[in-house]
Amino acid sequence: KQEVTQIPAALSVPEGENLVLNCSFTDSAIYNLQWFRQDPGKGLTSLLLIQSSQREQTSGRLNASLDKSSGRSTLYIAASQPGDSATYLCAADNTNAGKSTFGDGTTLTVKP
Amino acid sequence: NAGVMQNPRHLVRRRGQEARLRCSPMKGHSHVYWYRQLPEEGLKFMVYLQKENIIDESGMPKERFSAEFPKEGPSILRIQQVVRGDSAAYFCASSPSGQGPQYFGPGTRLLVL
Repeated sequence: KQEVTQIPAALSVPEGENLVLNCSFTDSAIYNLQWFRQDPGKGLTSLLLIQSSQREQTSGRLNASLDKSSGRSTLYIAASQPGDSATYLCAADNTNAGKSTFGDGTTLTVKP
Repeated sequence: NAGVMQNPRHLVRRRGQEARLRCSPMKGHSHVYWYRQLPEEGLKFMVYLQKENIIDESGMPKERFSAEFPKEGPSILRIQQVVRGDSAAYFCASSPSGQGPQYFGPGTRLLVL
């Protein structure tokens, strides 16, 4: 059974800082790993999806990496802004059918 | 192309009533997933459906919960005889092929009094 862990549970940084969010998973036989952003009381916004054959994906100030052998993924946010404040979730798909196992998230606060 | 639509956004029910949650996937998407987010907890998979078929319902409680995705119309998650422990945010996601990225709706927040 896949278990996904995200550390830390909460993170507070000053504006402009670069930061890394961590995601670890116990079953490395994944087809893909997806990072989401969730704002309070809202749904999930997909940020990046990394296929199992890929090592990283980039979108703007975001870069996600995947190391299947160690069961880890990281989300790197460059030059953080207050608007980046949200909860960030990672989800691992072991089924190639979209049934994902989610971590509990890292709640990020970027202070002006 | 409109995103995933869910309604109602908020639903209040008294214990013992029925709750019906609706999800309209993105245009062209025939794969729908339901997740539940309990207070202070992460998202948990409930059920995966394609048009007219339940593919995987391993995350759905055996009693009181059912889901459907008819040929026409939205996917429905139905909770009978609700209890306070059913209070949660219920999210629907869709994808075009069952692989690749999932797109989430805004969720339905169910409160059972």
